[in-house]
Amino acid sequence: RKEVEQDPGPFNVPEGATVAFNCTYSNSASQSFFWYRQDCRKEPKLLMSVYSSGNEDGRFTAQLNRASQYISLLIRDSKLSDSATYLCVVNLMDSSYKLIFGSGTRLLVRP
Amino acid sequence: DVKVTQSSRYLVKRTGEKVFLECVQDMDHENMFWYRQDPGLGLRLIYFSYDVKMKEKGDIPEGYSVSREKKERFSLILESASTNQTSMYLCASSAQGSFQFFGPGTRLTVL
Repeated sequence: RKEVEQDPGPFNVPEGATVAFNCTYSNSASQSFFWYRQDCRKEPKLLMSVYSSGNEDGRFTAQLNRASQYISLLIRDSKLSDSATYLCVVNLMDSSYKLIFGSGTRLLVRP
Repeated sequence: DVKVTQSSRYLVKRTGEKVFLECVQDMDHENMFWYRQDPGLGLRLIYFSYDVKMKEKGDIPEGYSVSREKKERFSLILESASTNQTSMYLCASSAQGSFQFFGPGTRLTVL
């Protein structure tokens, strides 16, 4: 079983739609969580951190469910520019300093 | 503005050549990482370093070595390039336990 699992998509939605991605992680010791965005042929960039209480940044909302070991990303009022791959990332916060990346969920927003 | 730079965006090498990929960060980060990214496999960690002259194997270190002589610079070395090392190579850096900033990537083709 992969340590971080995501639905690869693609999610194909019209502009203005609301779309949600889930991500599950296998290690209950995971301590910090992030969503990264990666455009085609570009490097991943941090979209937002995910806090236990949930957090919002404009049209983006991230939630963490420790009991079920998943995190989610909700995008409201989708824009064409939201088309990208969204990577779910977890950190064990142990001595390894490593982040564990999911394979990504691809989003296509159509006019 | 924070920055991670990589020496080349595109590189073409022949089988058996020794290949050096350089990464420099200007954020005084302790940790630096080398990943490769392949379609369907996501980001896979090759090596990381949490201090000058320190290195740790990641998930796929075979065929690679690294060097960190200065805090800001982390080099990835392919001792004898092979065709299965054709990939996108991404360097990243982070402060302790924090999210990672990525460089623009080097697309390496081994013929």
